[in-house]
Amino acid sequence: SQQGEEDPQALSIQEGENATMNCSYKTSINNLQWYRQNSGRGLVHLILIRSNEREKHSGRLRVTLDTSKKSSSLLITASRAADTASYFCATALEGSQGNLIFGKGTKLSVKP
Amino acid sequence: DTAVSQTPKYLVTQMGNDKSIKCEQNLGHDTMYWYKQDSKKFLKIMFSYNNKELIINETVPNRFSPKSPDKAHLNLHINSLELGDSAVYFCASSRPGQMNTEAFFGQGTRLTVV
Repeated sequence: SQQGEEDPQALSIQEGENATMNCSYKTSINNLQWYRQNSGRGLVHLILIRSNEREKHSGRLRVTLDTSKKSSSLLITASRAADTASYFCATALEGSQGNLIFGKGTKLSVKP
Repeated sequence: DTAVSQTPKYLVTQMGNDKSIKCEQNLGHDTMYWYKQDSKKFLKIMFSYNNKELIINETVPNRFSPKSPDKAHLNLHINSLELGDSAVYFCASSRPGQMNTEAFFGQGTRLTVV
């Protein structure tokens, strides 16, 4: 069964604006990861947040994790046209052996 | 240097055929995976291999079989292809000895069954 659900499914913003994507999951996790997929390409890892962490930063990316609500958010600040892509959250379940379960993704479009 | 490479990038074939997709990683990872991405962009894990042993086998048809000649390679064989097998297939790998860390993906193989 699907673990992660991203929200919104699609997001269109202007360059320079911030983009926020949310992810909800159902069961206990070891960590939660965010990936980017450009059209016609493979997935690229962006950031990983462990279950005992609440917030993490990497450049223009900020990820939060609320294990009580089983949700995470990805914030991209000062967006650029090059940020246009699909963004997926993936959860690594407790006790799993590397099995990442992906959501359906948020398609972000940044207009110049 | 490409970390995870898979071939071919595109594969068009007729129903009933048998085909293979190759995957190689040069990262020294012990764990490799195959994912299927359908037309709605939903990614689902199919198989994973750790040190040449299958450790996860999701409920995929037995027409699909992973084969790992060594820990740097995980090939996907598909027998008796069906229209519903059309999708993009991604190979991935993750770091040795550390479960639940980031996965590195190949560029994908777009399989079209006609």
